Amino acid sequence: DVKVTQSSRYLVKRTGEKVFLECVQDMDHENMFWYRQDPGLGLRLIYFSYDVKMKEKGDIPEGYSVSREKKERFSLILESASTNQTSMYLCASSLWTRSPSEETQYFGPGTRLLVL
Amino acid sequence: GDSVTQMEGPVTLSEEAFLTINCTYTATGYPSLFWYVQYPGEGLQLLLKATKADDKGSNKGFEATYRKETTSFHLEKGSVQVSDSAVYFCALTLNNAGNMLTFGGGTRLMVKP
Repeated sequence: DVKVTQSSRYLVKRTGEKVFLECVQDMDHENMFWYRQDPGLGLRLIYFSYDVKMKEKGDIPEGYSVSREKKERFSLILESASTNQTSMYLCASSLWTRSPSEETQYFGPGTRLLVL
Repeated sequence: GDSVTQMEGPVTLSEEAFLTINCTYTATGYPSLFWYVQYPGEGLQLLLKATKADDKGSNKGFEATYRKETTSFHLEKGSVQVSDSAVYFCALTLNNAGNMLTFGGGTRLMVKP
């Protein structure tokens, strides 16, 4: 069964703290993604990665960085957390396909982050 | 840029009612279109998809038809159940966008017994 896991379901941090969100997939997928989900805004892509040590900026990368040292793990880093980064963070993975129409992303359950 | 617009929710229906959730898109090319569903406390999962004009995607009683002339991909179900209560996201990807998906804002569906 397909599995994407995220290290925490709920997290509370203080402004200025460094925050690590971890995501692990067990499907040997090449692609991994980090989104944030906010009411009325849907999902917005922060960063994605096509392969180990590769990363690409999404639509809203400011204030975030990522790390992909192993194929199965994709980490999202908030260097200095701010209150406007309070949100639900979703990780996803997908198999590389020649045709994007075959794209199916598998999502983790999400991490709800509160920055005080 | 490319975008997806969904009707705002929540949509509240009684069990066995007919469901329509509207989705329209703007895209510079010819997108593939998707519906994802998020059940309470879970991540998103693919519900159905269509890859070219006039294609119909279907799954679990849900259907959506890719209408190029109206740039729409409305989600329908003839008879909803309480277990269909969830948030539904319309999304698109373009052939030149790699594996990136553009999502709509999501529509919450609440089905009452």
